Amino acid sequence: KNEVEQSPQNLTAQEGEFITINCSYSVGISALHWLQQHPGGGIVSLFMLSSGKKKHGRLIATINIQEKHSSLHITASHPRDSAVYICAVRSWGTGSNYKLTFGKGTLLTVNP
Amino acid sequence: DTGVSQDPRHKITKRGQNVTFRCDPISEHNRLYWYRQTLGQGPEFLTYFQNEAQLEKSRLLSDRFSAERPKGSFSTLEIQRTEQGDSAMYLCASSLIGGSSGRALGNEQFFGPGTRLTVL
Repeated sequence: KNEVEQSPQNLTAQEGEFITINCSYSVGISALHWLQQHPGGGIVSLFMLSSGKKKHGRLIATINIQEKHSSLHITASHPRDSAVYICAVRSWGTGSNYKLTFGKGTLLTVNP
Repeated sequence: DTGVSQDPRHKITKRGQNVTFRCDPISEHNRLYWYRQTLGQGPEFLTYFQNEAQLEKSRLLSDRFSAERPKGSFSTLEIQRTEQGDSAMYLCASSLIGGSSGRALGNEQFFGPGTRLTVL
């Protein structure tokens, strides 16, 4: 079982819909990242959080440390939001290396 | 452009050939990470540098792989005697770790565009 599990693996939505992508992890973490990857490979960091909730534009990320669960929400989705969304964690016990363990990603397609 | 850059963006090679990739991190960043991403999977950690020192290598990094960061700035990742299983996206990321206690300043990793390797 992977340390980081994302659901769903694939998600298709209509423009304007509210999107939720979930991430569950099995280890104690010091930080969780949400990343966006467009076709072609480049990865952009959306959020880094260790507690609570963060908001940036139409994107909202929440984390529940006790339940080892995080969600990424997209409000008023748009076709340009189509991408792979990846959850990554920095687990306790990695010392000072801060390396990330990644989920497999969620492929989001937003149709006009 | 002051982001992380990688070169080349795409590389096609024949099995058995050697390849070398380059990563230029954000200039003031002292940490540099290499990750590998195969189709349909999330990235996996390969190795990382603190300045010029290579501090950890994943078991994924066989002896055919070698990484260097000679002056603590750019880094190279070389794969010798490539195999078809090496076909993947190779991602580089950098971050700034600092402070007198060694505590991370935000610890956000900034990723490059990746080098997509295809071994025929």
